[in-house]
Amino acid sequence: SQQGEEDPQALSIQEGENATMNCSYKTSINNLQWYRQNSGRGLVHLILIRSNEREKHSGRLRVTLDTSKKSSSLLITASRAADTASYFCATDDGLSNFGNEKLTFGTGTRLTIIP
Amino acid sequence: DGGITQSPKYLFRKEGQNVTLSCEQNLNHDAMYWYRQDPGQGLRLIYYSQIVNDFQKGDIAEGYSVSREKKESFPLTVTSAQKNPTAFYLCASSTNARGWETQYFGPGTRLLVL
Repeated sequence: SQQGEEDPQALSIQEGENATMNCSYKTSINNLQWYRQNSGRGLVHLILIRSNEREKHSGRLRVTLDTSKKSSSLLITASRAADTASYFCATDDGLSNFGNEKLTFGTGTRLTIIP
Repeated sequence: DGGITQSPKYLFRKEGQNVTLSCEQNLNHDAMYWYRQDPGQGLRLIYYSQIVNDFQKGDIAEGYSVSREKKESFPLTVTSAQKNPTAFYLCASSTNARGWETQYFGPGTRLLVL
């Protein structure tokens, strides 16, 4: 079964506003990553947060992780038209044997920034 | 230029035909992955390889086959047994198969059935 489920499925905001998207997962994890996908392209890694971290920043990105609620959020501040893309969370399996780890991707949030 | 490449960009398959999607990386990564993405959906893992001459099935391996004879290459064959092959196929690689490793993606191949 799929680990990550993003919410909302789609989000449209005005340029300059902040965008928040959420990811929920089902089982324990060691790491959670966020990726961006522009239409018809491959995914690009944005940020990783470990299970012992609660918040992480990278430029205009802020990621939080709440392991008790099995959820993460990605905040993009001061959005730009170039931020228009789909955003995916990806989780590993916290119970897997070390050395055989793979990521499970969620269904994604499609973000549209209106100029 | 270091990176991961996929070819072709578009591929058309006739009924009953096997087709092979190419994936090459020059990042010196040990791990490579194949994902399938359907419209408006997330990525589903088809196969992955942690090292040369070794690979494991992912969540939707039926109707697909792979080989890993060279570190740089991880081709995916979509066989005639895959009844619904129309999708966007993404190849990725990482330093190794660990949950904290960043996966680097190719530009994808869109497979269409004639």
